[in-house]
Amino acid sequence: SQTIHQWPATLVQPVGSPLSLECTVEGTSNPNLYWYRQAAGRGLQLLFYSVGIGQISSEVPQNLSASRPQDRQFILSSKKLLLSDSGFYLCAWSAGTSGGSDTQYFGPGTRLTVL
Amino acid sequence: DQQVKQNSPSLSVQEGRISILNCDYTNSMFDYFLWYKKYPAEGPTFLISISSIKDKNEDGRFTVFLNKSAKHLSLHIVPSQPGDSAVYFCAATLDSWGKFQFGAGTQVVVTP
Repeated sequence: SQTIHQWPATLVQPVGSPLSLECTVEGTSNPNLYWYRQAAGRGLQLLFYSVGIGQISSEVPQNLSASRPQDRQFILSSKKLLLSDSGFYLCAWSAGTSGGSDTQYFGPGTRLTVL
Repeated sequence: DQQVKQNSPSLSVQEGRISILNCDYTNSMFDYFLWYKKYPAEGPTFLISISSIKDKNEDGRFTVFLNKSAKHLSLHIVPSQPGDSAVYFCAATLDSWGKFQFGAGTQVVVTP
């Protein structure tokens, strides 16, 4: 069966510090991968998605970046965090076989607080 | 611009009664819709989906209705149970890459 991992579960970082959140998927090959953010009182905002190694598409301009160094690894980074980067970050995967009708499966999330 | 809207941020319903969650969308090109359920500090979990070629899909206590002319989606939970207390997100896509647009969510509280 497929499993998706995210770490860390919680993170408190000062403004201006770097960020690296990691997501890995097990039990599937060549998944589509997604990073979402849920800010307080708001819905899920798609940040990045990837259909393959090294292929990253950004949905929202911001000071975050994403990378996919391996097939089942997706990393969200920032060189300098802003207060507005606080939120709940979710990684998701889909099989990528049915295009838009693929169900996405979410990881447990990372709660990021920027102080 | 929010293309998927859930105008009710919260809903309180008595155990055993029906919960009705509503979702409106603006893009008539959306062709696939899903509902996700989310508990605090956890990732959303898939609940039920519907394709634009259908107007109803049922799975146990959960039924999703789609009214394309009104660009309206609803989720019915019958009967509601305490474990249904969670935030429910509707999502829509028109994209072959599975880029979903999510609503802001509705917090459902089921009371005994």
